Amino acid sequence: AQSVAQPEDQVNVAEGNPLTVKCTYSVSGNPYLFWYVQYPNRGLQFLLKYITGDNLVKGSYGFEAEFNKSQTSFHLKKPSALVSDSALYFCAVRFDTGTASKLTFGTGTRLQVTL
Amino acid sequence: DGGITQSPKYLFRKEGQNVTLSCEQNLNHDAMYWYRQDPGQGLRLIYYSQIVNDFQKGDIAEGYSVSREKKESFPLTVTSAQKNPTAFYLCASSTRDSFNNQPQHFGDGTRLSIL
Repeated sequence: AQSVAQPEDQVNVAEGNPLTVKCTYSVSGNPYLFWYVQYPNRGLQFLLKYITGDNLVKGSYGFEAEFNKSQTSFHLKKPSALVSDSALYFCAVRFDTGTASKLTFGTGTRLQVTL
Repeated sequence: DGGITQSPKYLFRKEGQNVTLSCEQNLNHDAMYWYRQDPGQGLRLIYYSQIVNDFQKGDIAEGYSVSREKKESFPLTVTSAQKNPTAFYLCASSTRDSFNNQPQHFGDGTRLSIL
C-alpha cells in the first residue's frame, strides 16, 4: 500500500535561512509525488510535483523539491525562507484505481518562519 | 476566475441531524473528491466521483453520503450516523485523465461543529 510520512510536526527557521521540510514515501511502482501548502482556514494550494525526469523539481513561490529514489524521499526546500512562508505543508503520493487519480497525504508539517 | 466554491464556511449540527455541505466547481473537471481534515491526521478521503452519476467510497465513508447529479456539483451529507463529525471538510476536483498527473484543486473548506 502506498503511504507518505512527514517525520516532523513542526519546523522552525529564521527568515533568510534555508528551509527543508521532509517527506518519505512508500509505493509500489513509479512514484508520483506532490507538495501542497495550506494557510489558516483555507484549502490546499499546489506547489510542485514529481512525475519523472530531473530529480530537482522547481515549483511556485521559490520552492523546490529533491527526489531521491534510493532514500525514497521527496524533501521540500527553499534557499531563503520568508515569514510569509509560515503555513502547513503536505506531501502526497498519487495512486490509480481505474481512471481515478487518488492522493494519499502525509500528516502535515507546520513551518514557522521568524524574524 | 475558475475555481471551487464550498459553502457554508461554518456549519453547526445538532444531535440527530443530517447536514449537507455544498461543493461547486467551474473548472470543467470530471473528477471530484471530499476529504476530512483533523488536526495531526492530514487529509482522509471520504468519497470520490470520476464522472456524473458515479461515485466511490474512500477510506472513511461511514456516516457520509454523496450525490453527483451534475458535473459541477458534488454535495456531501453528514448523517446522524457519523458520531464524530467535528472537522474541516475539503472538496477538490481534477481532470479525469490520470495520465497527465494534473494536481487536484481545492476549495476553501467548511468547518463543521456539533452544537
